[in-house]
Amino acid sequence: QLQLQESGPGLVKPSETLSLTCTVSGGSISSGFYYWGWIRQPPGKGLEWIGSIYYSGSTYSNPSLKSRVTISADTSKNQFSLNLSSLTAADTAVYYCARHDEGATHFHYWGQGTLVTVSS
Amino acid sequence: DIQMTQSPSTLSASVGDRVTITCRASQSISSWLAWYQQKPGKAPKLLIYKASSLESGVPSRFSGSGSGTEFTLTINSLQPDDFATYYCQQYNSYLWTFGQGTKVEIK
Repeated sequence: QLQLQESGPGLVKPSETLSLTCTVSGGSISSGFYYWGWIRQPPGKGLEWIGSIYYSGSTYSNPSLKSRVTISADTSKNQFSLNLSSLTAADTAVYYCARHDEGATHFHYWGQGTLVTVSS
Repeated sequence: DIQMTQSPSTLSASVGDRVTITCRASQSISSWLAWYQQKPGKAPKLLIYKASSLESGVPSRFSGSGSGTEFTLTINSLQPDDFATYYCQQYNSYLWTFGQGTKVEIK
């Protein structure tokens, strides 16, 4: 069974860069034709897609966040990562990593999520 | 960008009710629509994909329909475990967008 686990700091200061890692077990991020994505959810609010990376390394980002988002993958560690720069309080959210389905049309497997608070 | 609008935002219902949630896209997305259920403190769970395909293991009381710009999620005979928030999500040209959510509450 595929499992995803987010890791990273729970508290980050404004203007700094958030770095999160998603560790995948039960499957390889470099096998198959899958996209791997990041989604976030501010407290009490809805879901927002941040960006996704294809197994080949191609990346796609939400236009509203594009200039601040970097997604990368480390196949040797079976991990993919999110960097989000120039943080503000509005970036406080639970951050989820997920795997798309083979057709990339939806999110099939999700991590449990990690809360990131942006505060000085 | 394609916007997704769900209605209603909140829905009060009783066990055994038939519940319908609507999701409208700002432009045609063919059938590239999914539905998720989310409970407090948990990750979303996939229920329906490609507008009407039931995810493995999801009870058959959940069903989805629609194409183009208008879609519905129906829950037949609402069960206590179904009280949660439901989100639609579209895919189009390497962009993925969620609706704002519909909270199904106990009446």
